[in-house]
Amino acid sequence: AQSVTQPDIHITVSEGASLELRCNYSYGATPYLFWYVQSPGQGLQLLLKYFSGDTLVQGIKGFEAEFKRSQSSFNLRKPSVHWSDAAEYFCAVGAPGNTDKLIFGTGTRLQVFP
Amino acid sequence: DAGVTQSPTHLIKTRGQQVTLRCSPKSGHDTVSWYQQALGQGPQFIFQYYEEEERQRGNFPDRFSGHQFPNYSSELNVNALLLGDSALYLCASRRETDSTFGSGTRLTVV
Repeated sequence: AQSVTQPDIHITVSEGASLELRCNYSYGATPYLFWYVQSPGQGLQLLLKYFSGDTLVQGIKGFEAEFKRSQSSFNLRKPSVHWSDAAEYFCAVGAPGNTDKLIFGTGTRLQVFP
Repeated sequence: DAGVTQSPTHLIKTRGQQVTLRCSPKSGHDTVSWYQQALGQGPQFIFQYYEEEERQRGNFPDRFSGHQFPNYSSELNVNALLLGDSALYLCASRRETDSTFGSGTRLTVV
């Protein structure tokens, strides 16, 4: 079955520290991959996406993600976290060519301490 | 340029009632998808509309239905509401690879 796993429910980091959020997927072929961020009471904002090509993807707000086919992973990273990055982060997958029917993970809540 | 607009932002309904949620897509977008996000969970795909037809559907019962109008706006209808239908309902609009989510409608069923 197709699925997305975000192993970390809650992560706490200090402001200025580096961040890595994990995402593993189960899919028949190499899917389209996405990272979204959601602030409390808000909708989803796309941080970055991977369709094909270079496996290191740059996104908005200084985020990047690396696709590793051998590990079925698409981890999100940021070198220096800001207090405003505190939010819920979702990894999602979609069938190649299909950006509408996405399967989301259960999310990782990021808390940032000053 | 307005993004995706959803209405209402919040509403409370009683079990067994029916509800209609509305979505106006971002200007220039022609495809609308609906998601249900239960508390503490990731969004789950309900269905997608394009050219006024349902094109894809997730694992949701027939109580969930929708419509897309000629101006690309969309409605999500839920009949015979259950307590478990309480959730944030998100609308996403798209044209080609440009996709945007709205802020959602928070539905509480009591």
